[in-house]
Amino acid sequence: KAGVTQTPRYLIKTRGQQVTLSCSPISGHRSVSWYQQTPGQGLQFLFEYFSETQRNKGNFPGRFSGRQFSNSRSEMNVSTLELGDSALYLCASSRGQTSYNEQFFGPGTRLTVL
Amino acid sequence: QQQVKQSPQSLIVQKGGISIINCAYENTAFDYFPWYQQFPGKGPALLIAIRPDVSEKKEGRFTISFNKSAKQFSLHIMDSQPGDSATYFCAASRPGNTDKLIFGTGTRLQVFP
Repeated sequence: KAGVTQTPRYLIKTRGQQVTLSCSPISGHRSVSWYQQTPGQGLQFLFEYFSETQRNKGNFPGRFSGRQFSNSRSEMNVSTLELGDSALYLCASSRGQTSYNEQFFGPGTRLTVL
Repeated sequence: QQQVKQSPQSLIVQKGGISIINCAYENTAFDYFPWYQQFPGKGPALLIAIRPDVSEKKEGRFTISFNKSAKQFSLHIMDSQPGDSATYFCAASRPGNTDKLIFGTGTRLQVFP
């Protein structure tokens, strides 16, 4: 069974640009969550999508947005990039249908903002 | 606001020893407490998880101890091996909301032969 895949693995952007990251969940998983990982702030929850609807949201500015498609694949977008957005962006998927959902993480996309 | 506090930040253990990582939480509504292991260049992988209705859960060399009254839980790695060298994160989530994990700050474990 293939794991969670994320593309691209590495990205370099400049301030003010926008970026789109992609995540393909494990087959059969309907929930996709996004996390930002930085040395200073650790792992922080961005948002979660289930069946194409945003079900949970973290405390990030509106520059961070996401969406989920009918095949459960998800994208997240960051507009007007800032230096502080440099981070590892992790995607996790789960079945999303039980009270306790085991989340499986992808390898992440390393974003560098110059 | 740090809702899950993790210590120590780093830990050095000799092969065969016991590694202990501690976490404390503030929100009494949390009811799911997983531990994740992360190797460099990889995403976190679930090691073991516990709910507050039990005080201990063991899977192989990994044990979670849970103290509901103290709002603390810990990970014990018995017979630590060099292959266990990784960063460990505790996490917590609220009922029916386990896809929104609140993570601790992580512990970098190094196991020397």
